[in-house]
Amino acid sequence: TQLLEQSPQFLSIQEGENLTVYCNSSSVFSSLQWYRQEPGEGPVLLVTVVTGGEVKKLKRLTFQFGDARKDSSLHITAAQPGDTGLYLCAGEGGAGSYQLTFGKGTKLSVIP
Amino acid sequence: DAGITQSPRHKVTETGTPVTLRCHQTENHRYMYWYRQDPGHGLRLIHYSYGVKDTDKGEVSDGYSVSRSKTEDFLLTLESATSSQTSVYFCAISESVVVGGAYGYTFGSGTRLTVV
Repeated sequence: TQLLEQSPQFLSIQEGENLTVYCNSSSVFSSLQWYRQEPGEGPVLLVTVVTGGEVKKLKRLTFQFGDARKDSSLHITAAQPGDTGLYLCAGEGGAGSYQLTFGKGTKLSVIP
Repeated sequence: DAGITQSPRHKVTETGTPVTLRCHQTENHRYMYWYRQDPGHGLRLIHYSYGVKDTDKGEVSDGYSVSRSKTEDFLLTLESATSSQTSVYFCAISESVVVGGAYGYTFGSGTRLTVV
């Protein structure tokens, strides 16, 4: 089983602050996806990163895939209460496996 | 406009009884997945399907079976429910395999199952 470790597990910040969430593995992934999940709902896809070193921006969210394709980060600038939720990273398996392996998530609370 | 619906949304059942959860999609996607989500464990794959009548086991398949007789429906059955199967169950669909990250998963809203 390929493991994805996310850190921190919990994060509580004030509105307007910046934050970074990390997703690390000892395994190489073909691609990595980030999802956000709100209470009582299923995860919703935010972005997919495919190329080592790739950086993608989605408004105030910046996603980066590590050069070796073993890690990824999510940076949020000027966090807002609407960013509150559980952030999950998911790696596409290596050769012979197309299924996603999910990290346990980072629970973010943005306090107004 | 949800392309994927799960039913029921909530269920309480007794230990030892069989339980079936249903996932229905209107997207005509080939791939369907059942996950369970538990505190401290994250999302874990139970079973998945890559076509009608084509299914395979995931990481935590013991005590679960699935069936897919139509493209749009994927059923998860707990043969004899146990308290350890108390969880939130999510169904997901994808248009194709996530080779190179071309396709993400679309998740349903989940079924909260309590086994007492």
